[in-house]
Amino acid sequence: EVQLLESGGGLVQPGGSLRLSCAASGFTFSSYAMSWVRQAPGKGLEWVSAISGSGGSTYYADSVKGRFTISRDNSKNTLYLQMNSLRAEDTAVYYCAKSEVRVCSGGSCYLDYWGQGTLVTVSS
Amino acid sequence: EIVLTQSPGTLSLSPGERATLSCRASQSVSSSYLAWYQQKPGQAPRLLIYGASSRATGIPDRFSGSGSGTDFTLTISRLEPEDFAVYYCQQYGSSPVTFGPGTKVDIK
Repeated sequence: EVQLLESGGGLVQPGGSLRLSCAASGFTFSSYAMSWVRQAPGKGLEWVSAISGSGGSTYYADSVKGRFTISRDNSKNTLYLQMNSLRAEDTAVYYCAKSEVRVCSGGSCYLDYWGQGTLVTVSS
Repeated sequence: EIVLTQSPGTLSLSPGERATLSCRASQSVSSSYLAWYQQKPGQAPRLLIYGASSRATGIPDRFSGSGSGTDFTLTISRLEPEDFAVYYCQQYGSSPVTFGPGTKVDIK
């Protein structure tokens, strides 16, 4: 059974940093691209970032480019999102999600499994 | 980027009725790379349909997807109580991935 478990969310001040983790199990982690998608309170879904199965290709939404870094440790079956220079508009539930291929062209894939999400609140 | 518009914003129906949800793209979606997700309150999205018309694993056959180019439809043939939720379309034919704003299906 595919399981994705996010952690690392919390309250952070504007300008601060946070690192999210997503522990994966139930599939061959290195064989699949992974993504982060966020959802602001009461709002819709926004794609944030994607990474290929090997970690060699990464993709970002313009809204986070230069501030967020996606990475993965295939030996630990874990996906990460390093978030720096956080802003109030980054407040959201952050979901990690699995794609069905090793490399998503331009970071674009459909997402067949999702974690339960972790809440990030940016506020002073 | 491709902008997706979903209509209606809210659909009020009774169990057993047919639901028809629309997703329109601002430009043609390459290779019908369009997916549909269901989200219930407090839960993560769940993949229903990919490739415009292929059902994901374990999805009941009352859910069906159709369309191509810029116009896509999700149909729920007979609403079950567990189907009342928000539905999002997503295009993954071009970068960046984009989602529609969602259609809420609620109980009439």
